[in-house]
Amino acid sequence: LAKTTQPISMDSYEGQEVNITCSHNNIATNDYITWYQQFPSQGPRFIIQGYKTKVTNEVASLFIPADRKSSTLSLPRVSLSDTAVYYCLGVENQGGKLIFGQGTELSVKP
Amino acid sequence: DSGVTQTPKHLITATGQRVTLRCSPRSGDLSVYWYQQSLDQGLQFLIQYYNGEERAKGNILERFSAQQFPDLHSELNLSSLELGDSALYFCASSVVTGGNTEAFFGQGTRLTVV
Repeated sequence: LAKTTQPISMDSYEGQEVNITCSHNNIATNDYITWYQQFPSQGPRFIIQGYKTKVTNEVASLFIPADRKSSTLSLPRVSLSDTAVYYCLGVENQGGKLIFGQGTELSVKP
Repeated sequence: DSGVTQTPKHLITATGQRVTLRCSPRSGDLSVYWYQQSLDQGLQFLIQYYNGEERAKGNILERFSAQQFPDLHSELNLSSLELGDSALYFCASSVVTGGNTEAFFGQGTRLTVV
């Protein structure tokens, strides 16, 4: 199961693009990269998932280089409501155990 | 609303007691996960069930047990409670278990042990 490393915290301002990078050096061939968002006292919420290259949805983009040893979550034009903890997970293709790391606490300021 | 229902939302109990937390997954989801989140420990994976069978086990204490019933709802039993068991307990569900899993989390049960 991929061990992930992310920055503990990040600060940003409203309207900026935020990029959160996750390192997963020992990711297995069949692991997917998945990102979740969590607000205080709420359950995590799925944001985006990818295997390689780039994935984009209405909320974010996920960039995964060819070696898959890292990934970057990109949040365009953040607002105050994007203040949350963001988790990067390496999910096994067989088993699907979801192990959350420390996450990145993003603080968006006005 | 994720579609995952957890009851009760809040629970206050005394040390040494036993409690049961209940989780109703989204309609059609076969997999259920349980997590514990305390201030100093982050989100700790406890256990996962798939269609009634235990699929994976994490850092679940021997005082804790869980099961998934034929109707796919799940219960987490916590016994001989200690002050340190005070935490938010989350349940999540997904259609399948695999690399492209998207899990949906409930709002959690806040357990306070006094």
